[in-house]
Order: sequence, then C-alpha cells, then structure tokens
Amino acid sequence: GENVEQHPSTLSVQEGDSAVIKCTYSDSASNYFPWYKQELGKRPQLIIDIRSNVGEKKDQRIAVTLNKTAKHFSLHITETQPEDSAVYFCAAVQAGTALIFGKGTTLSVSS
Amino acid sequence: DAMVIQNPRYQVTQFGKPVTLSCSQTLNHNVMYWYQQKSSQAPKLLFHYYDKDFNNEADTPDNFQSRRPNTSFCFLDIRSPGLGDAAMYLCATSRDMQYEQYFGPGTRLTVT
Repeated sequence: GENVEQHPSTLSVQEGDSAVIKCTYSDSASNYFPWYKQELGKRPQLIIDIRSNVGEKKDQRIAVTLNKTAKHFSLHITETQPEDSAVYFCAAVQAGTALIFGKGTTLSVSS
Repeated sequence: DAMVIQNPRYQVTQFGKPVTLSCSQTLNHNVMYWYQQKSSQAPKLLFHYYDKDFNNEADTPDNFQSRRPNTSFCFLDIRSPGLGDAAMYLCATSRDMQYEQYFGPGTRLTVT
C-alpha cells in the first residue's frame, strides 16, 4: 500500500522567512496530493492541493510542487506570518482508496 | 453555516461502557470518514463509507463499528472502550475519494 513520508517533523522560522515542507510517496498510482493545516485544538483544513497532471500550483503565499518521476511533492510558504504556525499534513490518494497522511510538520513562526 | 457536525463535542465514558459518536453533514457528499487522532499525531483512518459501501481499514480494531443509515448521518460505535481509545475522533466528508475532505470539529473522548 501507499506510504507517505514527511520532513521535517518540526520547523522554526522567523516571520517573513520562507518555509518548505517535503513529502515523498511510494505508489506511482497516487494522483491527488492535498495539504492540510491543523491549528491547535482545531480541525484539519485543506490549504492547497495538486493533481498529478500539474507540476506546480500557487495560491497567494502558498505553493505546491510535484515531481512525479521522483515521487515527491513540497509545500512552500513565503513571507511567513505568526498565524501560519500550525501542524501541516501532506497526503496522497489514488483512485478508489482513501488518502494516506504524512506524520505532520509542526511549523512555528516567531515574530 | 455548519457543514459537518459532530455530537457530542466531549464524551466521557467508563472503561468497557459502549459509546456512540455521531456525525451529520449538509453537503450531500458521497463519502464519509471516521478518523482517530491522538495528541501530536496524524489522523488515523478507521473506516469510510462510499455511499452505502463500507470500507474498513485493515488495522482498525473490531471494537470499532460504524453505521450510515442515510446520506447525511454516520455513527461510530465503540463497543468496549479501553484507556487506549481516549482520543479525538474526527468525522470528514468528501464528494469523492480524490476531492477535498471537510472535517467536523471532532469529539474528544475520555475513558475513565
């Protein structure tokens, strides 16, 4: 079955810096890659997703890149702000199966 | 407007005493999921329904059961809760398997 590895497990940056979180997946059949943000005590919420027919997607300060050959995808957050502090989960899905989460990255943005 | 509702938000039960958690959705989504999330961990999928088709994860204990009587509602039954079952239980829905999942606020289960 699919296995998703996520790095780093913790990431501390200064406000205004960029943050990058990387994930690798094992099954080349996976074709949908969402990223969820979970603030302390709250539910996970989708922040961006990408499908396998696209190499990059941007939404304001957030971008995701996908390298299908290498089977990895990354989340990029630019101009980080304290409200970006949260746990971020990557995930991978293939047709007919439920998504598999990575173990999460705790991002801390200090001002 | 609430889209995925979970009740209760907090549940305290005794060791071995059955408990039922409920989830309802106003999105008319085909898929409903139940996750268990423990502190500092990723949500762990227990099972999901695609419409009426039930899919159990291989490592979900038999102690956990689920029912989906109609499109809008889904229940999680824990037949004999142990101390290790104390966790946040999250319900989620999606239009299809490869679409955004909408999570409910969760039910925090405490086992005494």
